[in-house]
Amino acid sequence: AQSVTQLDSQVPVFEEAPVELRCNYSSSVSVYLFWYVQYPNQGLQLLLKYLSGSTLVKGINGFEAEFNKSQTSFHLRKPSVHISDTAEYFCAVSRDTGRRALTFGSGTRLQVQP
Amino acid sequence: SQTIHQWPATLVQPVGSPLSLECTVEGTSNPNLYWYRQAAGRGLQLLFYSVGIGQISSEVPQNLSASRPQDRQFILSSKKLLLSDSGFYLCAWSGRGFDEQFFGPGTRLTVL
Repeated sequence: AQSVTQLDSQVPVFEEAPVELRCNYSSSVSVYLFWYVQYPNQGLQLLLKYLSGSTLVKGINGFEAEFNKSQTSFHLRKPSVHISDTAEYFCAVSRDTGRRALTFGSGTRLQVQP
Repeated sequence: SQTIHQWPATLVQPVGSPLSLECTVEGTSNPNLYWYRQAAGRGLQLLFYSVGIGQISSEVPQNLSASRPQDRQFILSSKKLLLSDSGFYLCAWSGRGFDEQFFGPGTRLTVL
């Protein structure tokens, strides 16, 4: 089975500052990794995904994440945040074979302040 | 392009009443379908997934059931709601490659 730990439940940051949202996972098999964003009372939107290849993945809205297999991490970063980035961010993993339902972390609330 | 619909958007139901939430997908065929629940302040918990018509896998023992009567329709049901069934219910689909899931807008269920 897989598990995902998002180390910070809330991250306050000022507008135009950089941000890193942390994600660590545990799995006995190879995994795919995802970051989703959820705006209030809405569904989830995919920000980026790591399936294979380059460990630095670029996504939408200026976000990027780096897969670190030795540290079993997949931290999300953005060099300069905007007010509109205020949302809940979820890290998720799935197996790369067989049953591939997503296992989610508990989420990190990013609060961008002016 | 593919779209996924859920209804109703919000629902307030008394304890002990039945439940039926519907999810439909357009623009794709033979999708994998999923139901998740998001309790207040918590992450998403997979409830059910389906790889085809009539094929349902349950992830956790609970008061809910799911059905897939048509290829692109996924229904979440309960005969008698509990207070603990309150939450935000999300339907999702993925293609046969499984590599990512696409989520619907969700249904906010409040059980009183």
